[in-house]
Amino acid sequence: NAGVTQTPKFQVLKTGQSMTLQCAQDMNHNSMYWYRQDPGMGLRLIYYSASEGTTDKGEVPNGYNVSRLNKREFSLRLESAAPSQTSVYFCASNVAGGISYEQYFGPGTRLTVT
Amino acid sequence: AQSVTQLGSHVSVSEGALVLLRCNYSSSVPPYLFWYVQYPNQGLQLLLKYTSAATLVKGINGFEAEFKKSETSFHLTKPSAHMSDAAEYFCALGGSNYKLTFGKGTLLTVNP
Repeated sequence: NAGVTQTPKFQVLKTGQSMTLQCAQDMNHNSMYWYRQDPGMGLRLIYYSASEGTTDKGEVPNGYNVSRLNKREFSLRLESAAPSQTSVYFCASNVAGGISYEQYFGPGTRLTVT
Repeated sequence: AQSVTQLGSHVSVSEGALVLLRCNYSSSVPPYLFWYVQYPNQGLQLLLKYTSAATLVKGINGFEAEFKKSETSFHLTKPSAHMSDAAEYFCALGGSNYKLTFGKGTLLTVNP
């Protein structure tokens, strides 16, 4: 049981380049989330998918797009990377049933945009 | 609107001393509250959770937290700090669509 996996672990992009961050979970969870973590800012929600086939904006969606490919996979795309998108990106999932609010996190992707 | 405030971005304690990390929340509905820990260069790991059962919640690695509705607080404690407790700690509040609102985090340093 791998839990939540993310690829790649590290990435360096030039301004204007595009890339997709991949996330997969093997826990049969309904909901999935993308966060960015910046020093002193905590975790901020970019986009989330409450269930397969749905996606919604979070707190900081500008410059990002997402795809919930199936129940397991939720990808985050940067169409034209900017230095302000230099951050650590985390994917998370939860079963989203009853009082099960706890989320399970992947190991993160460290992205640098130059 | 929901919010989480962690008092103190950096807490430093000696090994063996009490650890106290503070978290206050604002919520218009009964809250679900969490503490997560992040070790360097890793993802977040759930330490403990409050879901309206017992007000004193025990978690992993000897940590516990007490929910106080009158103070809108959910402070994290550990009686005796260990070097391996050095990490960043995040308080989080559950909301609609099972989203979590995170505090800005508290970095715990443990001195020998």
